[in-house]
Amino acid sequence: AQSVAQPEDQVNVAEGNPLTVKCTYSVSGNPYLFWYVQYPNRGLQFLLKYITGDNLVKGSYGFEAEFNKSQTSFHLKKPSALVSDSALYFCAVRPTDSWGKLQFGAGTQVVVTP
Amino acid sequence: GAGVSQTPSNKVTEKGKYVELRCDPISGHTALYWYRQSLGQGPEFLIYFQGTGAADDSGLPNDRFFAVRPEGSVSTLKIQRTERGDSAVYLCASSLTGTSGRANTGELFFGEGSRLTVL
Repeated sequence: AQSVAQPEDQVNVAEGNPLTVKCTYSVSGNPYLFWYVQYPNRGLQFLLKYITGDNLVKGSYGFEAEFNKSQTSFHLKKPSALVSDSALYFCAVRPTDSWGKLQFGAGTQVVVTP
Repeated sequence: GAGVSQTPSNKVTEKGKYVELRCDPISGHTALYWYRQSLGQGPEFLIYFQGTGAADDSGLPNDRFFAVRPEGSVSTLKIQRTERGDSAVYLCASSLTGTSGRANTGELFFGEGSRLTVL
């Protein structure tokens, strides 16, 4: 069975500093990995995905994520955080045998202070 | 509309009542998904449709939950004999296709959700 773990409930960072949100996964076969963001009173929005290829994936709003197969991780990163990046971030994995069933982590609340 | 539309945005009902939640996907999207998000948790898969048929309904918690998509567009999630534990935000999403292959970018487009409160 596949699973996703986000070890931090909340990440606090000062504006302009680098931001990292951690995600580890467990899945049989090759993983399809995703990051979504949820702003207050808004729907979940797609940020980026890893399917295959380059381990460093670039996405929306200046975010990127690094796929590390040996550590089974897919950490989300942004070199310089903005106050507007404050939101709830979800890592998700899609099993290769069930295309519609995204398995989400519990989420990490990011708080960026001015 | 341009995005996934869900109605109602908020629904308060009493224990034991019947509830319907509606989802209008992005035009042209053949795949439609229902998820449930409880407070402090990530979205939990319920069911997904490819066209009119349910391709995977393994996430439906019990037989009180049922979903339909009769014409391959709008979907309705139906909950019978609601219980307090059903209180959550019900999320709908759509995508171009629900199958693997080049046409599927893997990106799901989510609506803002329907918040269900069972008293």
